[in-house]
Parts: sequence; structure tokens; C-alpha cells
Amino acid sequence: AQRVTQPEKLLSVFKGAPVELKCNYSYSGSPELFWYVQYSRQRLQLLLRHISRESIKGFTADLNKGETSFHLKKPFAQEEDSAMYYCALRNFGNEKLTFGTGTRLTIIP
Amino acid sequence: GAGVSQTPSNKVTEKGKYVELRCDPISGHTALYWYRQSLGQGPEFLIYFQGTGAADDSGLPNDRFFAVRPEGSVSTLKIQRTERGDSAVYLCASSLNRLAGEDTDTQYFGPGTRLTVL
Repeated sequence: AQRVTQPEKLLSVFKGAPVELKCNYSYSGSPELFWYVQYSRQRLQLLLRHISRESIKGFTADLNKGETSFHLKKPFAQEEDSAMYYCALRNFGNEKLTFGTGTRLTIIP
Repeated sequence: GAGVSQTPSNKVTEKGKYVELRCDPISGHTALYWYRQSLGQGPEFLIYFQGTGAADDSGLPNDRFFAVRPEGSVSTLKIQRTERGDSAVYLCASSLNRLAGEDTDTQYFGPGTRLTVL
């Protein structure tokens, strides 16, 4: 069965410091990995997906199949990055997303 | 344009009652998804529609849960004989699903319906 693990429920980082939100997955196939973000009083929205290899709002994430990880990184945290972040996985050829439990990121001014 | 909308935003009911939750997807989106998010958890898949048909209902927890999408647009999630454990935020998402074999598109989420069963 596919599973997504986000080991940190809470993460606090000072403004300007680097950020890394961890995500590990278990799946025997070719998964597609995503990061979703939910800002305060807003709906869940896609931040980035591994196949697009883009940097969104300064965030990047690299799929490491050897370590089965998809950690989210940003070199310099900004206050507006405070939000709830969810890592998610989708089977190739399937539609449903499997989410982790989320990490609440707080940027300290 | 308008995003995914869900009504009601909040629903309080008593144990044993029947509830209906509505989702209006983004116009033109053929795929529609229901997820349930319990406190402190990530969203959990319930059911996925492609057009009018349920393509995958493997996430429905039991036969008290049922969903329809009769005209391929609006969907209703129906819960019979509600239990306190059904209390959660029910999320709907839609996507512009392309042909099988190609990349499918991003899932856009609605604001959710918070269901409280007393």
C-alpha cells in the first residue's frame, strides 16, 4: 500500500534561515509526488509537483527514488511562508492523491 | 474564474441523521474528487468521478456513504445514519482530466464542509 510520511508536525524557522520540510513515501512503482500548501483561512492549493521541476515561491523539491524522499526546501524563509504543508503521492495511471499528515511551518520574524 | 464551491460551509447534525454535502466543480472540469480530513490528519481519498460515473470509490468507508454526479457537474456526498466518527472536513476537488494515458491535471480544492455530528 502507498504511504506518505511527514515526520514533523510542527516546524519553526527564523526569517531568512533555510527551510526543509521532510517527506518520505513508500510505493512500489512510479509515483508522482506533490506538495500542497494551505495558508491561513485559504483552501488547499498545489505548490509544486516533481515532474514540472519548477521553483515556486522560492521552494524546490527533488524526488530521490533511492531514499524514497521528496523534501521541500527553500534557502531563505519569508514570513509569508507560514502555512500548513502537505506532501502527496499519486499512482501513475490513477487519480487519487494520498496525503501525509502535514507539517505546520511557522516563520519567526 | 470561479473556483470549486461547496455548500454548506458548516453542518451540525445529530447522531443517526442523514446529511447531504454539495460540490460545484470548476466549469468544464470532468474529474471530481471527494476527500475527508479529520483533525490533525491529511486529506483522505473517498471517491473519484470521471464524468457521471464513479471511477474509483475505494475510499468510501462503508455503505453509509454514497455520492452521485448525475449530470457530470455538481456532485452530492450523502451520509446515512451519521456517527460521531463522521465528524470531519469534507473536501471536494476537480481537475481538467485529459485522455487516459496522458498526464492528468492539477486537482483544485474547494473550501470544504465542516461536518459535526453530535
